[in-house]
Amino acid sequence: QKEVEQNSGPLSVPEGAIASLNCTYSDRGSQSFFWYRQYSGKSPELIMFIYSNGDKEDGRFTAQLNKASQYVSLLIRDSQPSDSATYLCAVNSDRGSTLGRLYFGRGTQLTVWP
Amino acid sequence: DAGVIQSPRHEVTEMGQEVTLRCKPISGHNSLFWYRQTMMRGLELLIYFNNNVPIDDSGMPEDRFSAKMPNASFSTLKIQPSEPRDSAVYFCASSPGDRAKLFFGSGTQLSVL
Repeated sequence: QKEVEQNSGPLSVPEGAIASLNCTYSDRGSQSFFWYRQYSGKSPELIMFIYSNGDKEDGRFTAQLNKASQYVSLLIRDSQPSDSATYLCAVNSDRGSTLGRLYFGRGTQLTVWP
Repeated sequence: DAGVIQSPRHEVTEMGQEVTLRCKPISGHNSLFWYRQTMMRGLELLIYFNNNVPIDDSGMPEDRFSAKMPNASFSTLKIQPSEPRDSAVYFCASSPGDRAKLFFGSGTQLSVL
């Protein structure tokens, strides 16, 4: 069973702060890692992906990957109230019968208060 | 691009009835996924297709669930007979095959009474 674990939260940060969201995964063969944002009552939306160890930055978002520790994180700088949503971590092993299959964590609920 | 289109947006039915959910993937995407989301279990993959062929249906909970993809632009998920525990949001997603980046439809909120 391939597990993807996230703290369910809620995580609450003030506007302008850095929000840090964490995710661990069980399958060492995992190759692709994704962060989805889901607003209440809406569908998940892809916001970041990372394939290699290290950091990847896109605007206010930074994804961090450490394959040795089986850990991936998402940092949101200068958090805004509009960032309030549930953030889903997803992992893909890119091999064999699981090629193309994403395993999702349960999500972390983030609230950014003004 | 219109994105992934699902219908209906909401479905309310009685236990025992047949339910059919529909999905039109993004043109050019060669993979299609059906997910179910509940508060208790989060997002669960039910089945996915690659080039219209079912690749992994291990997530389909029971024989009451079936899915088809007769062509590259249409897929259905059928539940027959439906039960109250099937109540959930059902998402369809498609992918261009690029490292499993998924694009989700708006979902179908299913309520089985």
